[in-house]
This record gives sequence, structure tokens and C-alpha cells, in this order.
Amino acid sequence: DTGVSQDPRHKITKRGQNVTFRCDPISEHNRLYWYRQTLGQGPEFLTYFQNEAQLEKSRLLSDRFSAERPKGSFSTLEIQRTEQGDSAMYLCASSPPNMGTGGVDYGYTFGSGTRLTVV
Amino acid sequence: GQSLEQPSEVTAVEGAIVQINCTYQTSGFYGLSWYQQHDGGAPTFLSYNALDGLEETGRFSSFLSRSDSYGYLLLQELQMKDSASYFCAVSGQAGTALIFGKGTTLSVSS
Repeated sequence: DTGVSQDPRHKITKRGQNVTFRCDPISEHNRLYWYRQTLGQGPEFLTYFQNEAQLEKSRLLSDRFSAERPKGSFSTLEIQRTEQGDSAMYLCASSPPNMGTGGVDYGYTFGSGTRLTVV
Repeated sequence: GQSLEQPSEVTAVEGAIVQINCTYQTSGFYGLSWYQQHDGGAPTFLSYNALDGLEETGRFSSFLSRSDSYGYLLLQELQMKDSASYFCAVSGQAGTALIFGKGTTLSVSS
């Protein structure tokens, strides 16, 4: 397993179009996260899955954003009716089950991201 | 809600020691993490502190004081390759996602 894979690496779309991104996490990791990052900012949390269940979703996330992880493996993030403000790097990360138990923590493994440009 | 504060920029020379501070406000607290991100790259995990004290990993160390809601990342024997952005991140409770600070850009010069 070579890490977290994201596809595509770059996406240019016209305002109003729908886009879908894919993330393949590390196979042993049951937790998967989506973040968005703009220039000079930290990753902004979007949503989080444990296996196929979507456990957490940012309150700041517009209804135009939806994510799925149907079989607890890969995940997709869809943005409907894109706006120029959606232009950003979309990062996916995964982590193993023992993450955040207050003890040993191996952290998140991030993918290289999908850079979205809305024109 | 949760918020984190860290300096936006730090500069240093090769061989020096630099400390990047992070203060946080969270409704709960389950640990402070640090990530490094080079320009154009993905964030990579550096360290995690759940308990008070210092954790050392090679040239990098991380400190946490839960009573002060404060932590820092200490980078020793700086190298040019350490030039990157450094993010502190917290999770409010077990099983919740990390919330990241805005990052500190470290520039190391020769």
C-alpha cells in the first residue's frame, strides 16, 4: 500500500458545474477525512467517516457538498453548482483505528490533494 | 467551538533552534498534534501530545501544558529542508476530527 491516493490531481471547471473527487485511503485505515485548504491557511475540516458511516460534518459545509464512502473503502466528495469560492485544494486523509485514544498516535496520512479551480 | 493561535511566520538560520507556539481553546481536549507541510506538498504528521510534558523525536520535540492550553514545537539544528509550514491541530474528544491552526511559515536561511 503506497499511501492515500486522490484523483484527479487537478480539476478546472466552469461555475455552476458539478465535480466529484475520489480518495483511496490506506487499506488498514478505517477512518477517512476530507479537508479543504486555501493558500496560506490550514486545512479546514469538511467531513469524516468511520468505515462507511459519516460521523461528523462541518456546520460550515454548504448543502452543495456531499460525501460518500459506500463500502468503507474509497470515498467520493461531490460539489454541486460550483462557485468561485470553492476553488481550493481538497485534501483527503486516513487514520488507523487507534487514532485519538489518548495514547499512541500515528497521525493522519494525507493524500496529495485535488486542486480545484472554478472559472 | 475550537480555535488555535500560532505565529504566522518565523525566520531562523541553519543550525539554530526555533520554537513555534500554539495556544488553543476547545470545548474538550484530546490531544495536540503537529504537522509539517512543504510548498505544494501534503501535510505530514510530526508529533502528538496527549499528556503534559515533552515528547522528543530526533531533532523535533513537542511540548504540552494542558493547564495553560498551550503547546510548542521545538526544532533543533535547523536545516534548509525544514523550511515549510507547521500546523498545530487539536481534537476535542476521542473519535472526532482534527481542527488545524492557520499555520506558521518557517524560513531557514544559510
